[in-house]
Amino acid sequence: AQSVAQPEDQVNVAEGNPLTVKCTYSVSGNPYLFWYVQYPNRGLQFLLKYITGDNLVKGSYGFEAEFNKSQTSFHLKKPSALVSDSALYFCAVKDYGQNFVFGPGTRLSVLP
Amino acid sequence: NAGVMQNPRHLVRRRGQEARLRCSPVKGHSHVYWYRQLPEEGLKFMVYLQKENIIDESGMPKERFSAEFPKEGPSILRIQQVVRGDSAAYFCASSAPGLAGGGNEQFFGPGTRLTVL
Repeated sequence: AQSVAQPEDQVNVAEGNPLTVKCTYSVSGNPYLFWYVQYPNRGLQFLLKYITGDNLVKGSYGFEAEFNKSQTSFHLKKPSALVSDSALYFCAVKDYGQNFVFGPGTRLSVLP
Repeated sequence: NAGVMQNPRHLVRRRGQEARLRCSPVKGHSHVYWYRQLPEEGLKFMVYLQKENIIDESGMPKERFSAEFPKEGPSILRIQQVVRGDSAAYFCASSAPGLAGGGNEQFFGPGTRLTVL
């Protein structure tokens, strides 16, 4: 069965510092991996995805994520955090032919 | 291009009434998903539909909840005889069909916030 873990409920980072939001997954085959962001009282917005190819994926708003097959991880990163990046971040995995599975979410707070 | 539309955005019902939530997917998308989110919590998958078919309803409560995605018109999530515990935000998402088992991302609607008094 597919599963996604986001080991940190909350991540705090100072504005201008690099940020990392962690995600690990478990699937039986080759995964499709996604990151979404949710701002208060809004739906989820797609940030980026890994399907195949280059392990480093670049997405919206300066975010990127690195697929690491050996560690079954897909951590979200940004070189320099902005206060406006403060939101709830969800990692999701989809196995071939299967449904999406979302992680529990990580709340990112960027402090001015 | 309009994104995923959900209505109403806010819905208030008294215990025992019915709630009907509507979702219009992105034009051309034939896959629809419904999720429930409680305050400060993650998304809980409810049901996955394609046109006129329920593909996966493993997250749907066995009683009072039903979903459909007819050939014409929006997808409907219906909750009968609502209880206070049904109060939550309900999100709809759609994706393009793509290749079988493909990795097309989901596009989410703004959600319907259901409050049961």
